[in-house]
Amino acid sequence: GENVEQHPSTLSVQEGDSAVIKCTYSDSASNYFPWYKQELGKGPQLIIDIRSNVGEKKDQRIAVTLNKTAKHFSLHITETQPEDSAVYFCAATRGGSYIPTFGRGTSLIVHP
Amino acid sequence: SAVISQKPSRDICQRGTSLTIQCQVDSQVTMMFWYRQQPGQSLTLIATANQGSEATYESGFVIDKFPISRPNLTFSTLTVSNMSPEDSSIYLCSVEGAELGGKLFFGSGTQLSVL
Repeated sequence: GENVEQHPSTLSVQEGDSAVIKCTYSDSASNYFPWYKQELGKGPQLIIDIRSNVGEKKDQRIAVTLNKTAKHFSLHITETQPEDSAVYFCAATRGGSYIPTFGRGTSLIVHP
Repeated sequence: SAVISQKPSRDICQRGTSLTIQCQVDSQVTMMFWYRQQPGQSLTLIATANQGSEATYESGFVIDKFPISRPNLTFSTLTVSNMSPEDSSIYLCSVEGAELGGKLFFGSGTQLSVL
């Protein structure tokens, strides 16, 4: 089955810096890659996603890149703010499946 | 997206009792799922809630422990039976389908503590 590795497990940055979270996947049939943000006491919130026919997608301060050949994808957050502090999960979904495989999560801490 | 309401948001239960968690969606959805998130861990799929038929359970989860109902396309329940402290987790309802652009959305979760 699919295996998704996520790094780092913890990321600490100063406000205004950029943050990058990286994930790798094993199943070449995976074609949909969502990212979720989970704040304390809340459910995961879909913040951005990318499909395998696209190499990069951007939404204001966040962007996701995908390298299908290397089977890795990354989340980039620019100009980080304290409210970006949360746990971020990447996921990979095989074509034809409704069920993603999640990474272990990255705890992002943005210091004011 | 979809608005997903989960009740209760949190509960503290005694060992050996059962708790039923409700999930209500504001529109009809094709797929409903239940996930478990143990403290500091990732998201683990418990089962797919099938409308009008038995749920499909993932490896390691059984119907006797986690009975699930889905009477229609907007509502589902998960029961955690005969609870032990190891069941202390966040339980999350999620929905997906073509009507949602093939995207998975989560409810706010139920924080369960078992004493």
